[in-house]
Amino acid sequence: AQSVAQPEDQVNVAEGNPLTVKCTYSVSGNPYLFWYVQYPNRGLQFLLKYITGDNLVKGSYGFEAEFNKSQTSFHLKKPSALVSDSALYFCAVRRAGNNRKLIWGLGTSLAVNP
Amino acid sequence: DGGITQSPKYLFRKEGQNVTLSCEQNLNHDAMYWYRQDPGQGLRLIYYSQIVNDFQKGDIAEGYSVSREKKESFPLTVTSAQKNPTAFYLCASSIDGTSFNEQFFGPGTRLTVL
Repeated sequence: AQSVAQPEDQVNVAEGNPLTVKCTYSVSGNPYLFWYVQYPNRGLQFLLKYITGDNLVKGSYGFEAEFNKSQTSFHLKKPSALVSDSALYFCAVRRAGNNRKLIWGLGTSLAVNP
Repeated sequence: DGGITQSPKYLFRKEGQNVTLSCEQNLNHDAMYWYRQDPGQGLRLIYYSQIVNDFQKGDIAEGYSVSREKKESFPLTVTSAQKNPTAFYLCASSIDGTSFNEQFFGPGTRLTVL
């Protein structure tokens, strides 16, 4: 079965420290992977995506993610967290086959403490 | 939230009533999507449309209906057949239905059934 997992419901990190939000996937074929962020009572905003090429992808607001094919992971990272990074983060992967829609993770709530 | 608008922001409905949620985009995107978001369940696809006058059911289409008569508009009707309609509804669009293109989201409509 094709799926995406975000193993941590919540991540807490101190401001200025590095942050990691984890994502693992299971999909047949080459995966297309995405990260989105959602602030309270708002729509989702696109952060970055991996389609092909360099395994390290840089995105908006200083975020980056590393595609690891052997570990089927696509963890989101930022070298120095800001309080304003506190939000809900979603990982998504393309579903292979005729229905090429996104499979979404359940989300990870990031809390950055001052 | 880009060039996608959703209205209203908050909507209250009595049981047994149909209600229509508006979604408009000025991004000239071909593809549009409706998602439902419930706490702890991530995003679930209701309907999507890859081109005007065409749409397909997503994972949870029962009790919902859509139309795509214009490129910029993709309204969602929540019918009385939807047993648990209270949720946060998100509309999105992408350049086309090719799933390596990111989706742009509207600000959402929170529907509450009284």
